[in-house]
Amino acid sequence: NAGVTQTPKFQVLKTGQSMTLQCAQDMNHEYMSWYRQDPGMGLRLIHYSVGAGITDQGEVPNGYNVSRSTTEDFPLRLLSAAPSQTSVYFCASSYLSGQPYEQYFGPGTRLTVT
Amino acid sequence: AQSVTQPDIHITVSEGASLELRCNYSYGATPYLFWYVQSPGQGLQLLLKYFSGDTLVQGIKGFEAEFKRSQSSFNLRKPSVHWSDAAEYFCAVGVTGGGNKLTFGTGTQLKVEL
Repeated sequence: NAGVTQTPKFQVLKTGQSMTLQCAQDMNHEYMSWYRQDPGMGLRLIHYSVGAGITDQGEVPNGYNVSRSTTEDFPLRLLSAAPSQTSVYFCASSYLSGQPYEQYFGPGTRLTVT
Repeated sequence: AQSVTQPDIHITVSEGASLELRCNYSYGATPYLFWYVQSPGQGLQLLLKYFSGDTLVQGIKGFEAEFKRSQSSFNLRKPSVHWSDAAEYFCAVGVTGGGNKLTFGTGTQLKVEL
């Protein structure tokens, strides 16, 4: 199993550009999520999904869109990048039940917006 | 809403010394508690978790944590630190009815002196 994979590993964007961060998992997990990690702020939840076709907002959703057309993939879209979106982005997945399961994290995408 | 506080931003210990990383949470009922570790340039890996039952939980890599309801704490301990334990450590909390959503602390950076 590859686990959770993310592409690209590094990306530099200019303000106003758009891009999609890719996330895929091969563990048949129902739950997938995106976090951003900023120094001194820990990880903050951007968006999450409990299954194909179902997404919801997390703590810091503004400026980001997501979709979940398959169980395996959960891309994160930046429609018009801003310097405030410079961060490290992590995708995570887990099984879904009535209580929190262990989340498996991808290796991260380091994004710089100039 | 729930919250997590990790009061120590940086901790330095000598190899072979004992370690305790502090975590305090705020939540009205019994939470689900997790400790994750992040090595440089990597994603997060689960060290251990507490859902219910025995308040002393054992994890991977020789780590343990104790849930103390009276102190709203879930401190991480290791009796003898190895140089490879140098990393950033995150405490996280999940709540009943919150699905798989986790709230993370801001992290503690551990440095190990040889």
